[in-house]
Amino acid sequence: AQSVTQPDIHITVSEGASLELRCNYSYGATPYLFWYVQSPGQGLQLLLKYFSGDTLVQGIKGFEAEFKRSQSSFNLRKPSVHWSDAAEYFCAVGTTSGTYKYIFGTGTRLKVLA
Amino acid sequence: DTGVSQDPRHKITKRGQNVTFRCDPISEHNRLYWYRQTLGQGPEFLTYFQNEAQLEKSRLLSDRFSAERPKGSFSTLEIQRTEQGDSAMYLCASSPRTGAPYEQYFGPGTRLTVT
Repeated sequence: AQSVTQPDIHITVSEGASLELRCNYSYGATPYLFWYVQSPGQGLQLLLKYFSGDTLVQGIKGFEAEFKRSQSSFNLRKPSVHWSDAAEYFCAVGTTSGTYKYIFGTGTRLKVLA
Repeated sequence: DTGVSQDPRHKITKRGQNVTFRCDPISEHNRLYWYRQTLGQGPEFLTYFQNEAQLEKSRLLSDRFSAERPKGSFSTLEIQRTEQGDSAMYLCASSPRTGAPYEQYFGPGTRLTVT
């Protein structure tokens, strides 16, 4: 079955510290992969995406993610977190045919300490 | 490009009432999606339109739910005889073209509370 797992429900980091949010997926082929961020009361904003090619992708706001086929992972990283990064982060798999609908993980809520 | 808009942003209704939500996608996006997000969960796919055709519906979409997209522009999602379990954020997203992978652009959502 197709699924996305985000093992960390909550993560707390200090401002300026590095960040890694984990995402593992189960999909029958190489999927399309996305990271979205959701601030309270807001919709989802795309941080970055992977369709093919270079497995290290750069996104907005200083985020990057690395696709590792052998580990079925697409972890999100940021070298230095800012207080404004506090939000909920969702990893998603995009199906590669038909509707291209997304399958989302349950999200990781990030808290940033001043 | 004004983004995806949804109306209303918040809706409080009593159990048993009908509600209707509207989504206006980015112009010229012919793909439109509805998702439902409950507290503490990621969004779950409900239904998909390509132009005016509804091509896929999730098993989550019970008979009380109906969606349409007349003329391939805006879309509406109606819930009849609402239940407390329908309380959630309903998200709409649009994506350009067909036959290729493009990211989805999400609206701000409609938060439904059923009392």
